[in-house]
Amino acid sequence: QKEVEQNSGPLSVPEGAIASLNCTYSDRGSQSFFWYRQYSGKSPELIMSIYSNGDKEDGRFTAQLNKASQYVSLLIRDSQPSDSATYLCAQNTGRRALTFGSGTRLQVQP
Amino acid sequence: EPEVTQTPSHQVTQMGQEVILRCVPISNHLYFYWYRQILGQKVEFLVSFYNNEISEKSEIFDDQFSVERPDGSNFTLKIRSTKLEDSAMYFCASSDLQGNYGYTFGSGTRLTVV
Repeated sequence: QKEVEQNSGPLSVPEGAIASLNCTYSDRGSQSFFWYRQYSGKSPELIMSIYSNGDKEDGRFTAQLNKASQYVSLLIRDSQPSDSATYLCAQNTGRRALTFGSGTRLQVQP
Repeated sequence: EPEVTQTPSHQVTQMGQEVILRCVPISNHLYFYWYRQILGQKVEFLVSFYNNEISEKSEIFDDQFSVERPDGSNFTLKIRSTKLEDSAMYFCASSDLQGNYGYTFGSGTRLTVV
């Protein structure tokens, strides 16, 4: 059974701080990992994808992957109130389906 | 920016009725998907579709569900006899290659079965 685990939160950070979101997965065959942002009542929006161990940076976002520890994280620098949303971690094991975590709700306090 | 378009945005139907949810994937994408999200729960995979056939489906995608690409642009999900527990947001998505670059999701159809 492929599982993706996330702390449901809410994670509350002040505006301008770094938000750190974490995700663990059970399937060692997982090859690709994705972070999606979902505003309430809206569809998931892709933020980052990561396939190799290490860090990947895109603007204010950094994804980190550690396959040995089966751990994926997302750092959001200079957090803004508009970043307040639920962040979904997802994995793809090479087949076409994505398995999603339940999401972490982030609240950025102005 | 290319979009995945879904219609209708909200559908209310009587239990036992058939519904068809419609999607227009991004034009150069080759893989199409349906996901659902029951209120307050995870996004769940239903089915993937490639080259005019189902390539993978989940346990949720039982005989009451079917998918079709009736023409060159539309991709539909049919639920034959809706149940109360089918009430959810249904998301269509599409991707190029094998989804290794992530999906683009549509804005969703909220299905309410009464």
